[in-house]
Amino acid sequence: SQKIEQNSEALNIQEGKTATLTCNYTNYSPAYLQWYRQDPGRGPVFLLLIRENEKEKRKERLKVTFDTTLKQSLFHITASQPADSATYLCALGGSSNTGKLIFGQGTTLQVKP
Amino acid sequence: GAVVSQHPSRVICKSGTSVKIECRSLDFQATTMFWYRQFPKQSLMLMATSNEGSKATYEQGVEKDKFLINHASLTLSTLTVTSAHPEDSSFYICSAMRGRGTDTQYFGPGTRLTVL
Repeated sequence: SQKIEQNSEALNIQEGKTATLTCNYTNYSPAYLQWYRQDPGRGPVFLLLIRENEKEKRKERLKVTFDTTLKQSLFHITASQPADSATYLCALGGSSNTGKLIFGQGTTLQVKP
Repeated sequence: GAVVSQHPSRVICKSGTSVKIECRSLDFQATTMFWYRQFPKQSLMLMATSNEGSKATYEQGVEKDKFLINHASLTLSTLTVTSAHPEDSSFYICSAMRGRGTDTQYFGPGTRLTVL
């Protein structure tokens, strides 16, 4: 069955450093991959989308890579700030045009001042 | 931006009662809405896909008679948890899409349901 793995352990980094979060998947060939941010007790907020034929996407301090051979996406936050502390979810979408997403369990990032 | 609201944000009910949760897209028309549930420190689990004017499509293992979904208009979908039990206690989140396929999903703030 399809499986998405994100590092379940919290990632603690110092302010100003680059945070790198990993999303690995198996038994699936997604047409696209999305990253969301979720704060405690809140719904997810969309950050970035990358398609299967794209290697890298950037948006301000965020960068996402997508390696369909390794079945892995990396999510980078450069010059991290305490306000970036949250849980980050990756989600995979298929080519069926339904818009359905399969979510990973998320990785919690803690940026210390 | 696209805003999705949910009401109520929190609800506590007695076992055996029914609870209705509303999901509204405030500034756009949503062709598709999704309902998820999320347990603490776990992933979002898709429950059903709701298209305006048609029956919802439920994921495997989700009881359609227990979780009634109505998508009456392009801006409103409701989820009714019928005969709620303590194991139904969870965080319920809806999302809405403007288009199809790879269009972004805009999520509501979620509803915390506690069944006593």
